[in-house]
Amino acid sequence: RKEVEQDPGPFNVPEGATVAFNCTYSNSASQSFFWYRQDCRKEPKLLMSVYSSGNEDGRFTAQLNRASQYISLLIRDSKLSDSATYLCVVQSGAGSYQLTFGKGTKLSVIP
Amino acid sequence: EPEVTQTPSHQVTQMGQEVILRCVPISNHLYFYWYRQILGQKVEFLVSFYNNEISEKSEIFDDQFSVERPDGSNFTLKIRSTKLEDSAMYFCASAGQAIYSNQPQHFGDGTRLSIL
Repeated sequence: RKEVEQDPGPFNVPEGATVAFNCTYSNSASQSFFWYRQDCRKEPKLLMSVYSSGNEDGRFTAQLNRASQYISLLIRDSKLSDSATYLCVVQSGAGSYQLTFGKGTKLSVIP
Repeated sequence: EPEVTQTPSHQVTQMGQEVILRCVPISNHLYFYWYRQILGQKVEFLVSFYNNEISEKSEIFDDQFSVERPDGSNFTLKIRSTKLEDSAMYFCASAGQAIYSNQPQHFGDGTRLSIL
């Protein structure tokens, strides 16, 4: 069974803080990895893809450890607008393109 | 920026009735998906569609469900004989032109289906 497990939330942090989310996945054949964010009762929106060498997009840094089947997301200098649920998402590839979602970690950035 | 659009935004239906949820994927995309999210739970894959046929489906996607691409733009999900447990947010997604890894799927803003 393909599973994606995430840190239980919620994370309540002050503006300007750095926050890290972790995720593990069970399917070792997984090939593609993403972080999506989801605002309350809205659709998932792609935040960033996650590459083997790690990648950064502004205040956001994603890391992948294939050996440990572990993915992380680091948010620096948190803004109020970062408040959302962050979804760890895995795609197995190899002919299967369905996305497997984690349950998400809720972040609240407090003024 | 091109978007996936879904209609209606909210559908209220009596148990046992049929519903059709509609999606217009991003115009040059070739891969189409339906997902659902029951309130408070994670997003779950239902079905993927490519080249006018189903390419994958989950165990949720039983005979009650069907998908169709009736013309060049719409992608529909039909749910026959709806049950209370079909109440959820249904998301359509599409992805790009070629099969390669790290190809993200873009989601529509969903249809909230409420079965009474």
